[in-house]
Amino acid sequence: SAVISQKPSRDICQRGTSLTIQCQVDSQVTMMFWYRQQPGQSLTLIATANQGSEATYESGFVIDKFPISRPNLTFSTLTVSNMSPEDSSIYLCSVVGAGGSYNEQFFGPGTRLTVL
Amino acid sequence: AQSVSQHNHHVILSEAASLELGCNYSYGGTVNLFWYVQYPGQHLQLLLKYFSGDPLVKGIKGFEAEFIKSKFSFNLRKPSVQWSDTAEYFCAVEGNTGFQKLVFGTGTRLLVSP
Repeated sequence: SAVISQKPSRDICQRGTSLTIQCQVDSQVTMMFWYRQQPGQSLTLIATANQGSEATYESGFVIDKFPISRPNLTFSTLTVSNMSPEDSSIYLCSVVGAGGSYNEQFFGPGTRLTVL
Repeated sequence: AQSVSQHNHHVILSEAASLELGCNYSYGGTVNLFWYVQYPGQHLQLLLKYFSGDPLVKGIKGFEAEFIKSKFSFNLRKPSVQWSDTAEYFCAVEGNTGFQKLVFGTGTRLLVSP
């Protein structure tokens, strides 16, 4: 398994500002993903964070709104830019390839974001 | 596009009752199927998974799920629930493309009363 930490665990932000969420894994992993869970809804994949190259975004998500970095095999950041109340969600990172396991995703604890 | 439906949003059971949570998916190709659980205050964690082979899969804590291809279903079962099973349960599907993108259902909140 993998130990995944996210910072911050929660935040309350003002409309129009940006927040960067960090995801740190205790071992090298093959793949890292970012998900969003809006209130009362399911988890939705935002993008795949690619090490050393641009992230791969899912339909409905764009780089200008959710820039992602992955400088190495254990760390990634997701920025929520120019926030609006509709961005209030839980943001989770997940990883694949931890401990040699390639058919299971491990999830971080999530970052609860509230935009006023 | 893939989608996952979980029929029950909230389920309340007494201890020792049997549990079955429904999950249906839509996807035209071969799929991998998962059930994840999130206990109060904890991370999402994998309960069980189906990739191929025996359609009845067993997971942790006495849970099992049956893949019925003809019904596009992957229902979760437990013969006798415990108070500690109180959690939110998510069904997820991954198209067998090797890209490991999960599509989740909306989740079912299970409350087990002692």
